[in-house]
Amino acid sequence: DIQMTQSPSTLSASVGGRVTITCRASQTISSWLAWYQQKPGKPPQLLIFKASSLLSGVPSRFSGSGSETEFTLTISGLEPDDFATYYCQQYSVYPYSFGQGTKLEIK
Amino acid sequence: QVQLVESGGGVVQPGRSLRLSCAGSGFTFSSYALHWVRQAPGKGLEWVAVISYDGNNEFYADSVKGRFTMSRDNSKNTVYLQMDSLRSEDTAFYYCARVRGWWGKPFDSWGQGALVTVSS
Repeated sequence: DIQMTQSPSTLSASVGGRVTITCRASQTISSWLAWYQQKPGKPPQLLIFKASSLLSGVPSRFSGSGSETEFTLTISGLEPDDFATYYCQQYSVYPYSFGQGTKLEIK
Repeated sequence: QVQLVESGGGVVQPGRSLRLSCAGSGFTFSSYALHWVRQAPGKGLEWVAVISYDGNNEFYADSVKGRFTMSRDNSKNTVYLQMDSLRSEDTAFYYCARVRGWWGKPFDSWGQGALVTVSS
């Protein structure tokens, strides 16, 4: 099974700032990686798929990069609505798997 | 618009069974694989199971294999998760999520979740 390791687990940043979250896969997944945002009491929402493709309607301050085993999610010009928990997920092989999550907090 | 609505959650004793349902609307249900993803309170996301768009293929996480079974009725636009031999560690919000086709696509829509509490 593929293990997904996200870092950091928590992150503090200011409105207007820039953050990067890293996700590592235990084996190559090509670009079959998605990023989700989850707010308390809500289901996750898809932001990015195929490692770097932004879902229609998602603000361009979100960007994804990487391939094989190393991936990043970058948020530039943080807005108050961005403070949430972010998960990476591989959909290369079953069983699908998620990273443990990164909670982005306001500094 | 696209909607996935879970139902059937509740409190159940260890060792007992429960069946969750997920009803879809606003899209061609029979074109989508449906997954279950769970989240223990305050914890991360765990993929649980998938059933193909035609019901002919299923996969399960090792943690539920042999205890949980997915099925679907495309005439009712509904998938089911039969959960047997429940354990305290199965306590979680259970989300259904759709994927167009079978492979190579992310979860592009999720339900609001159903809470399952396994407790004596």
